[in-house]
Formats: sequence, C-alpha cells, structure tokens
Amino acid sequence: AQSVTQLDSQVPVFEEAPVELRCNYSSSVSVYLFWYVQYPNQGLQLLLKYLSGSTLVKGINGFEAEFNKSQTSFHLRKPSVHISDTAEYFCAVSDQGAAGNKLTFGGGTRVLVKP
Amino acid sequence: ETGVTQTPRHLVMGMTNKKSLKCEQHLGHNAMYWYKQSAKKPLELMFVYSLEERVENNSVPSRFSPECPNSSHLFLHLHTLQPEDSALYLCASSQDKRGTDTQYFGPGTRLTVL
Repeated sequence: AQSVTQLDSQVPVFEEAPVELRCNYSSSVSVYLFWYVQYPNQGLQLLLKYLSGSTLVKGINGFEAEFNKSQTSFHLRKPSVHISDTAEYFCAVSDQGAAGNKLTFGGGTRVLVKP
Repeated sequence: ETGVTQTPRHLVMGMTNKKSLKCEQHLGHNAMYWYKQSAKKPLELMFVYSLEERVENNSVPSRFSPECPNSSHLFLHLHTLQPEDSALYLCASSQDKRGTDTQYFGPGTRLTVL
C-alpha cells in the first residue's frame, strides 16, 4: 500500500516570489510520481511526472520537481509565481508493478498568490 | 469538443432518487476512471475500466454502479445515496492502464445529497 503526504495544506505567497510545495510518499515498491494542478471549478491537469532517468523534472508553466529516493520526496518548485498560479496542487504516486493505473493522491496544497 | 466532458456539472438529489453521471472522452483512450473528491479527504479512486472491462473496484458501496458501454463513455449510476456521498465526482481517461500513462480529468460533477 502507498500513501502520500503533502505537508502544507495552504501556502500563501506573493507574486513573483518563489514557492516550494512539499510531497513525501511511502511505498514498499518502486513508484511513478506525478504533480497535478486543479484550478477553481476545473478538473485536474498534469503539471509534470517522474518515470525514470534524471531526478529533476521540468513541467508546464515553469514548474519543476526533484525526485529524492533516499528521502522519498518529490517537492514541486517555481522560482517566480504569477497570480494565475492560484490553485490547488496534488502530488500522486502509482505503483510501477500494479496491473492498473491506480493513482494515490495526497491531500492537496492550496496556493494563494497575493499581488 | 475536446478532452473529457462530464454532465451534469451540478446535481442535487434526495436519498431515494436514482440518477446517473455521464462522462465522455474525445481522446481515443482505452482506460477510464471514476474518482471521488470530498472536502476533507484526498481524492479517492473508485473504479477503473480498461477496454470496457472493469479492472478495479476500490471497495465502493453498491449504491454506486458504474457502466462502460464503450471506450468513449463511462456512467456512474446512483441510487439510495447518503448525505456523506456529497462530493465532486471526477472522471478521467488515459491511453491505457499502465502506471506511466497520464490521466486526463474532466471538470467534475458536484453532487449534493439531501
């Protein structure tokens, strides 16, 4: 069984400041890692994913994340946020060996970008 | 239309009603999913369909009944629901059911059970 912990439920940040959203996971098997974003009144949209290879993953809208296997973390960062980045962000994992594409999500982090 | 669409976007029903949620994907994908998003809990996977065959039922009560008549359509039939079933129900699709496949989500149906 897997679990995902997003350590911050809410993160207020000023426009043009950097932001880091923390994600830690627990799993007895190798996993794939994902970050999704949910804008108000919309479904989830993939920001980036780590499958293998380089541990630094670049995604859309200037976001990047780093996979750290020893710390079982996959933190998301953006060097300079915009008002339009106000949204809820979800970290998720899927079991590499599972028969189905089953995502386990964290509780989400709400980012509020202030002018 | 493109992507994943869901209807209705909002639904209010009584505990004795029967209703259905509809999801349609226009991406040519082979796998479809239902998720439940409650206010106080993480997103929960409910069902997974691959090529119209149910491959996962995540211990969901029988008052939720999924149907996948073809690879483009997915339904969630609801009956005798409880107030705690009020939530946002999200549909998603992916190319196949591999763990590497990105899931594409619809906007959801906001369900309120009175």
